[in-house]
Amino acid sequence: KQEVTQIPAALSVPEGENLVLNCSFTDSAIYNLQWFRQDPGKGLTSLLLIQSSQREQTSGRLNASLDKSSGRSTLYIAASQPGDSATYLCAVKGGADGLTFGKGTHLIIQP
Amino acid sequence: GAVVSQHPSRVICKSGTSVKIECRSLDFQATTMFWYRQFPKQSLMLMATSNEGSKATYEQGVEKDKFLINHASLTLSTLTVTSAHPEDSSFYICSASSGTGTSGNTIYFGEGSWLTVV
Repeated sequence: KQEVTQIPAALSVPEGENLVLNCSFTDSAIYNLQWFRQDPGKGLTSLLLIQSSQREQTSGRLNASLDKSSGRSTLYIAASQPGDSATYLCAVKGGADGLTFGKGTHLIIQP
Repeated sequence: GAVVSQHPSRVICKSGTSVKIECRSLDFQATTMFWYRQFPKQSLMLMATSNEGSKATYEQGVEKDKFLINHASLTLSTLTVTSAHPEDSSFYICSASSGTGTSGNTIYFGEGSWLTVV
């Protein structure tokens, strides 16, 4: 059974810093990996989707990498801003099943 | 872009009653819909997968008689929590896919529904 682990569970950094969120998964037979953002009391916002054949995806200040063979992904956030404060979720997709999520990294950017 | 609408966003119900949550795909036909549940400080857990016109497939540990899923059309799936109890209080979120769910088909999420059973 697929398991997704996110490290760290929580992170608090001053505004402006670059930071890296980590995600690991136990079964490398995935179709894609997705990073989401979840704001308190809100649903999910998809940030980046990386297909299994891809190594990375970029959107603005966000860059996500995927090393499928080692079961790892990182989300890099450049020049962090207070508005980036949220919980970041990593999820992998295998076959026709739904997504398997990690527990998330709770990020606080201090003004 | 594609939008998935979930309703209600918040609901409070009395213990023992049933509550229905709707998930609609607004501008695409969703052949597959997924229902997730998230308890505080826990990850989202897949509850069931529903394909239009067929019975839902439930994950291990999810009571199919308690969590009734109906995917009667290509744009609507409903989750009914029957005889709700306080331990059912959780964040329920649906997602929809226009494909068979395999490969790179994008999955779109609803806003989620907060259920509080008192």
